[in-house]
Amino acid sequence: EAEVAQSPRYKITEKSQAVAFWCDPISGHATLYWYRQILGQGPELLVQFQDESVVDDSQLPKDRFSAERLKGVDSTLKIQPAELGDSAMYLCASSPDTEAFFGQGTRLTVV
Amino acid sequence: GDSVTQMEGPVTLSEEAFLTINCTYTATGYPSLFWYVQYPGEGLQLLLKATKADDKGSNKGFEATYRKETTSFHLEKGSVQVSDSAVYFCALSEENALNFGKGTSLLVTP
Repeated sequence: EAEVAQSPRYKITEKSQAVAFWCDPISGHATLYWYRQILGQGPELLVQFQDESVVDDSQLPKDRFSAERLKGVDSTLKIQPAELGDSAMYLCASSPDTEAFFGQGTRLTVV
Repeated sequence: GDSVTQMEGPVTLSEEAFLTINCTYTATGYPSLFWYVQYPGEGLQLLLKATKADDKGSNKGFEATYRKETTSFHLEKGSVQVSDSAVYFCALSEENALNFGKGTSLLVTP
């Protein structure tokens, strides 16, 4: 069964350092999402791609976060510099229509 | 904007008890509605969905009916198992990304 792949599963970084997360969506899914989930909360959208184009990045803190989906397949989310408040689960999802399929997420801890 | 409100947890039930987790939504149009489940340390898995009014989504003994008149999509299960212990998220989508509720933690005890 096809899955959304994310790496790494866990990341510990010091504040002010740069960190990057990678996502490989299910083959053929044109839409890709990055969500952030703070412990005890629901996921919140950071950015949505349709193929290689950004559809919605209104909630992405652009002073420190960036996202790209070159060639419209896999995607990278970067944080630079990381802050303590960035500690969260970062979830990638892909979708062929309205139903989203999620990866296992990257748990980021900023110390 | 679109939003979802779900009952706060944690919910603690004994095995074989009846489960209801309430979810109401606010939307400008006609969204699709979803329930996702998240097990500890894992990503979200789609549990069930409904795309129009009066549709009933069902999976693994869970059910939810899209009620336009009450803007609700309550999750129910007749007899819960210990393995159902997880966090449940109600979500909606209106031609765009999913909007999630805050989640309801369920603990089922033997």
